[in-house]
Amino acid sequence: NAGVMQNPRHLVRRRGQEARLRCSPMKGHSHVYWYRQLPEEGLKFMVYLQKENIIDESGMPKERFSAEFPKEGPSILRIQQVVRGDSAAYFCASSALGDTQYFGPGTRLTVL
Amino acid sequence: TQLLEQSPQFLSIQEGENLTVYCNSSSVFSSLQWYRQEPGEGPVLLVTVVTGGEVKKLKRLTFQFGDARKDSSLHITAAQPGDTGLYLCAGALRAGNMLTFGGGTRLMVKP
Repeated sequence: NAGVMQNPRHLVRRRGQEARLRCSPMKGHSHVYWYRQLPEEGLKFMVYLQKENIIDESGMPKERFSAEFPKEGPSILRIQQVVRGDSAAYFCASSALGDTQYFGPGTRLTVL
Repeated sequence: TQLLEQSPQFLSIQEGENLTVYCNSSSVFSSLQWYRQEPGEGPVLLVTVVTGGEVKKLKRLTFQFGDARKDSSLHITAAQPGDTGLYLCAGALRAGNMLTFGGGTRLMVKP
């Protein structure tokens, strides 16, 4: 009964590089949400996806950030040209019918 | 101003004491979840409440959803050191929508 899986758990990037964060939802879940937790701050919504569709991206920064959830494979959160302010914990959550959300362990991104 | 105001932010108590954490809003929520988060880990679901006035019990934890579905509380009876952690409330304005999180309550239970 695997839960939500995220990898890598820790990611270090230099300024200007790209970061790719992966999320595999719980079995049977087709709804994926991405949240960001900045140091000493609460979790903030970024984007909500269903298979092959972005449902709500109101929390995504307008530039450099993108997300996808293809028909096959994990959901990917992509950050291009990372800056120090992108350093944070990024959490993925999944749900079955858009109800209770279950969270993964997170990816801790550090930008040097 | 946060959509969900959680209080207190910090709570340090002795083992065996009772405590209540509050989550308040002026908005009506479709559902509200309580999570617990350990350092370096993701939030772990404790409970989901969906019906106004609903009360759910999980061993020594009692969760209540306000009649108007604008507020919720978490009550812990006879707290133990193992209850130490960050407690988060999170609400969805509509089913399937994103969660809005409260600021969290950092609980420390001293033996």
